[in-house]
Amino acid sequence: RKEVEQDPGPFNVPEGATVAFNCTYSNSASQSFFWYRQDCRKEPKLLMSVYSSGNEDGRFTAQLNRASQYISLLIRDSKLSDSATYLCAVNSGYSTLTFGKGTMLLVSP
Amino acid sequence: SAVISQKPSRDICQRGTSLTIQCQVDSQVTMMFWYRQQPGQSLTLIATANQGSEATYESGFVIDKFPISRPNLTFSTLTVSNMSPEDSSIYLCSSGLAGGNEQFFGPGTRLTVL
Repeated sequence: RKEVEQDPGPFNVPEGATVAFNCTYSNSASQSFFWYRQDCRKEPKLLMSVYSSGNEDGRFTAQLNRASQYISLLIRDSKLSDSATYLCAVNSGYSTLTFGKGTMLLVSP
Repeated sequence: SAVISQKPSRDICQRGTSLTIQCQVDSQVTMMFWYRQQPGQSLTLIATANQGSEATYESGFVIDKFPISRPNLTFSTLTVSNMSPEDSSIYLCSSGLAGGNEQFFGPGTRLTVL
């Protein structure tokens, strides 16, 4: 089993839709979880950290399920500008992160 | 978050040559990392750049091929040595605090080896 796995997509959704991505991880000792957004030919940018209690930032909600070892990202009321690749990251050592391959989201008018 | 710059932003190099990429952070940070991202792939950690000591390399990466320097808390270099076309990739540096905290990335260096 790969350390961090994501459905590569693409997820094609219309504007205004709600879309959710999952990311599974294999290291049960992982303590830190993040979602990054990467636009084409750009560097990844931190979207949000994922806390045990879940967290919300505007239209974005992140959840952690330790029992099943996955994190999720929910995007409500999708905008065209949300089109990007979403990478999950999980700490794999004291300070290092392991990234998934990313899930591509395409929001269409 | 720290502001990170890298240079060069891109380069086209001949097989067998070496390229040194610089990464500058605008504040003192505990951790600096070097990643590679090949087309259509995710980020692969090459090494952790340690200030004042040898870098810590991940499996599959060696110092002879990817020598790294980190002379202080805000600057690091990655050299891609004796390049081959398989080294064509985007190389990114990142910085963060120790303890598995979030990392912030530089804009990347797009390397093409002919």
